[in-house]
Amino acid sequence: EAGVTQFPSHSVIEKGQTVTLRCDPISGHDNLYWYRRVMGKEIKFLLHFVKESKQDESGMPNNRFLAERTGGTYSTLKVQPAELEDSGVYFCASSHYSFLYTEAFFGQGTRLTVV
Amino acid sequence: GDSVTQMEGPVTLSEEAFLTINCTYTATGYPSLFWYVQYPGEGLQLLLKATKADDKGSNKGFEATYRKETTSFHLEKGSVQVSDSAVYFCALSDQGAQKLVFGQGTRLTINP
Repeated sequence: EAGVTQFPSHSVIEKGQTVTLRCDPISGHDNLYWYRRVMGKEIKFLLHFVKESKQDESGMPNNRFLAERTGGTYSTLKVQPAELEDSGVYFCASSHYSFLYTEAFFGQGTRLTVV
Repeated sequence: GDSVTQMEGPVTLSEEAFLTINCTYTATGYPSLFWYVQYPGEGLQLLLKATKADDKGSNKGFEATYRKETTSFHLEKGSVQVSDSAVYFCALSDQGAQKLVFGQGTRLTINP
């Protein structure tokens, strides 16, 4: 069974540019989560999808970030325009039911560097 | 708000040493507690969890006990191996919340 896959693994962009990160969850997992770790600090929650619906986007830092989940399958996280403070590692995770009852599986992350 | 505090790393030990990584938390409700591990080049993996006070989570020789009175969930292993070298994250999920609150992570290196 394929795990959670994230693309790209690394991205280096200039300040002001746009970047789109993609996450392919494990097939059949309705729950999809985005997290990020900035500057070696703690990993912080960004948002949670159930199928194609946003259940909780309280962690999205500002309106430069836009997340979508087409047809309840893969998800994209777009940063437009990117700022220096957006640099970090962006993790995606998926679970069949709530991760309180079933394990949430994480991808390897996308390392974003804004210069 | 909810928060998790882990002992600062990095931690370096010799093989077969005893390991403790401290974790304390602050939460408004009755959280579930987790330890995740990230091996080099891989994503985070659930190591163990506990959902109520006095529960003990265990996996791969690691253990952690949910201590409500001290708001702690310390990770322990009696004899570490080189393959345990990784970054360990303590996390909580408050009652009913569908999100994890993580600590800052502790990098563990085991030398042969």
